[in-house]
Amino acid sequence: DVKVTQSSRYLVKRTGEKVFLECVQDMDHENMFWYRQDPGLGLRLIYFSYDVKMKEKGDIPEGYSVSREKKERFSLILESASTNQTSMYLCASSQPAEAATQYFGPGTRLTVL
Amino acid sequence: LAKTTQPISMDSYEGQEVNITCSHNNIATNDYITWYQQFPSQGPRFIIQGYKTKVTNEVASLFIPADRKSSTLSLPRVSLSDTAVYYCLVGLPFSSNTGKLIFGQGTTLQVKP
Repeated sequence: DVKVTQSSRYLVKRTGEKVFLECVQDMDHENMFWYRQDPGLGLRLIYFSYDVKMKEKGDIPEGYSVSREKKERFSLILESASTNQTSMYLCASSQPAEAATQYFGPGTRLTVL
Repeated sequence: LAKTTQPISMDSYEGQEVNITCSHNNIATNDYITWYQQFPSQGPRFIIQGYKTKVTNEVASLFIPADRKSSTLSLPRVSLSDTAVYYCLVGLPFSSNTGKLIFGQGTTLQVKP
């Protein structure tokens, strides 16, 4: 059974802080994704990675960066958190040949004050 | 990249069949159609995927007409536990950086007793 875990379910940070969101998957998946989810906007792709040290921008990468040093771990970094980054952040993973079948973590609800 | 359009919300009663339609007029030749389900405070969960005609699994059926410009997720005999947001997703089951997936806005299904 695929398991995707995220470091925190809830996180509260202050404007200007550097924030790290960690995601780990245990199924040796090549692809990993970071989305944010906001009411009325659905899921929006921030970044994705198809291999270690490889990354590509999604639809809304501004204000975010990512790191993938190990296959199982994909980190989302908010260099200087802002209030408009208050959101639910969802991590997912998949195999390359089945990239439309993504396995999601439980999400991290981030509040930036 | 194919944009998708779904109804924002739908209501149903227990025991009824529910059909949710997604429009994707610009679907590309190699794109697959995938549906996800999301309960509150959880990450989305894969339901079903198809390319053309009809696909059925233990959870749902997916109907795709010949022109593939739309698709319909059919949930037989819904129960209260089927109350969730349903996302239509169109894209390649890609490898490397050949493409990315787009989630629709989602349809909130409310099942009433």
